[in-house]
Amino acid sequence: EVQLVESGGGLVQPGGSLRLSCAASGFTVSSNYMSWVRQAPGKGLEWVSVIYSGGSTYYADSVKGRFTISRDNSKNTLYLQMNSLRAEDTAVYYCARVEGIEARYYMDVWGKGTTVTVSS
Amino acid sequence: EIVLTQSPATLSLSPGERATLSCRASQSVSSYLAWYQQKPGQAPRLLIYDASNRATGIPARFSGSGSGTDFTLTISSLEPEDFAVYYCQQRSNWPPVYTFGQGTKLEIK
Repeated sequence: EVQLVESGGGLVQPGGSLRLSCAASGFTVSSNYMSWVRQAPGKGLEWVSVIYSGGSTYYADSVKGRFTISRDNSKNTLYLQMNSLRAEDTAVYYCARVEGIEARYYMDVWGKGTTVTVSS
Repeated sequence: EIVLTQSPATLSLSPGERATLSCRASQSVSSYLAWYQQKPGQAPRLLIYDASNRATGIPARFSGSGSGTDFTLTISSLEPEDFAVYYCQQRSNWPPVYTFGQGTKLEIK
């Protein structure tokens, strides 16, 4: 069964750091495009970052320079290192597999999410 | 950056009625447009990709149409489990930025 399970969320003070993990099963992370999407309380979906199968990484302007997406092929796991956290980073963070035929852009497998709260 | 605008923000309908949700892109996205359904406390679920293709396991009452800048998600006859928030989404070519619309809440009338 194809599945994604996030972990690592929690309460962190402004300016702090957190690393989220997303363990995949049923498919290979390194062969796919993988993304992080977040949702602030009561708000819509916001794309955060993507890592391509070739290793290229891209970020939303709101997190560029503070967040880093990576993967561990041996663990089949995706990560999001979040530094210099701000109150506005408070959200549920989802990892998702990015798919597509002619263009890889839609997210066909999602985890259940992990909650990050940035507060003093 | 391509902006996706969904309308209406809220749609109030009864079970059995037809729902029509709109998504407009600020510039052409060809047919690279996806739709998702999200229920409270759950992750989004892919419904439609490439504007009109149903994802695996999605009932036939869900259909998508459109190309270029104007897209529509239609639910032919609403079931109680269809009341949720719906998002459209696309990706710009360069730099690759993935964008979601602000969502349409489909609520029971």
